[in-house]
Amino acid sequence: DTGVSQDPRHKITKRGQNVTFRCDPISEHNRLYWYRQTLGQGPEFLTYFQNEAQLEKSRLLSDRFSAERPKGSFSTLEIQRTEQGDSAMYLCASSLRTSQTGEQYFGPGTRLTVT
Amino acid sequence: KQEVTQIPAALSVPEGENLVLNCSFTDSAIYNLQWFRQDPGKGLTSLLLIQSSQREQTSGRLNASLDKSSGRSTLYIAASQPGDSATYLCAVRWAGNNRKLIWGLGTSLAVNP
Repeated sequence: DTGVSQDPRHKITKRGQNVTFRCDPISEHNRLYWYRQTLGQGPEFLTYFQNEAQLEKSRLLSDRFSAERPKGSFSTLEIQRTEQGDSAMYLCASSLRTSQTGEQYFGPGTRLTVT
Repeated sequence: KQEVTQIPAALSVPEGENLVLNCSFTDSAIYNLQWFRQDPGKGLTSLLLIQSSQREQTSGRLNASLDKSSGRSTLYIAASQPGDSATYLCAVRWAGNNRKLIWGLGTSLAVNP
């Protein structure tokens, strides 16, 4: 499978715990995006990488959230001291900088439930 | 402020009907617009992408149109089937250095057999 993959697909954690999600983009894609989708809402942009550089962060990304893409390939999103309001689907997408369409390809998402 | 609005929020139709979902956006200087499908509790499936220079795109029973001047896109589904039941999301990328997609809240579609 050469699409975007995310791990884990589901995560249940207790409030106050730390969680980390991983995203593997399509292999040649140099742009990677994280979005968050809460129940009944459209996705909201969190952050964007070009290669290993984090070029934009949303105000939604509080200081409890950190994202990395150390080698310009896979990315991790960590949430520290989780809160119930963090419960959401976390979506990762990738795209190719030189793509004419700029289309973003999405992974299956990681569903986080904070109890 | 760049915003995306989708109307209606929910739609229920009998099988076989042709239907139209609407997406409107502020600021006509878009780069592209994408329509996605999302099944309950699942990720996103890309349906159609329209570049700013295009007027429409077609894939099977789906046709998406774009009118930048009026800030509108429509997704037309022909001969709807129960398997089309899902939430349909519209996402816009604006021109410039902004790479992110801005999303509507979606239209929840139920096609009844």
